[in-house]
Amino acid sequence: AQSVTQLGSHVSVSEGALVLLRCNYSSSVPPYLFWYVQYPNQGLQLLLKYTSAATLVKGINGFEAEFKKSETSFHLTKPSAHMSDAAEYFCATLFGNEKLTFGTGTRLTIIP
Amino acid sequence: DAGITQSPRYKITETGRQVTLMCHQTWSHSYMFWYRQDLGHGLRLIYYSAAADITDKGEVPDGYVVSRSKTENFPLTLESATRSQTSVYFCASREGSDTQYFGPGTRLTVL
Repeated sequence: AQSVTQLGSHVSVSEGALVLLRCNYSSSVPPYLFWYVQYPNQGLQLLLKYTSAATLVKGINGFEAEFKKSETSFHLTKPSAHMSDAAEYFCATLFGNEKLTFGTGTRLTIIP
Repeated sequence: DAGITQSPRYKITETGRQVTLMCHQTWSHSYMFWYRQDLGHGLRLIYYSAAADITDKGEVPDGYVVSRSKTENFPLTLESATRSQTSVYFCASREGSDTQYFGPGTRLTVL
C-alpha cells in the first residue's frame, strides 16, 4: 500500500533561516504528491503539487519542493522563514484516482 | 460564494444523541470526503464518495453514517454520539486527480 512518511513531527527554525520539511513516499510508480498547510483553527490549503511534469515545483508563499525518484522524496523548502509560516504541514500522495494518503504532519515553529 | 462550507462550525452534544454535520460544495466535484483530526493521529478518513449515491468506508467508519443524494452535499451523521467522537471534522472535495479542497472544519464536543 502506498504511504508517506514525514520525518520530524516538530521543526523549529529561526526567522530568516532555511525551512526544510521532509517527506518520503513508498510507491513503485511515481504518484501524485502534495503539500498542504494548516493554520490554527483552519482547514488545509494546498501549497503545491507534483503531477509528473517538472520535478521542481513552486508553490505559494515562496515554498517549493523537489521530486526525487531515486530517493522517493518530496521535501518542502523555503529559503527564508517568516513568522507567518508557523503552521502544520502535511505531505500527501494520490495513487490512482481515489483517496489521498496523508503523512502525520510536521508542526513548524518560527523563532524570532 | 463558491467553495466548500461546513455547518455547524462548533457543536456540543451529549453522549447518545444523534448529530449531523453538513458539508456543501459548489464546484460539482465528483469526490467528497470526511476526515477527523485528533492530536497524535493526524487526519483519518471516515467515509468518502466517488459520486452521488456511491459511498465507501475509509479508515475509521464505525459509528458514522453518510449519504449523498445530491452531488453537492455530503452529510455525516453520528447515530449515537460517544465521547471518543469528540474531534475536529473536515469535509473535502475533489475532481479526479486534481487539487483536493478542504472545508473550514467542525469542532464537535461530546459530553
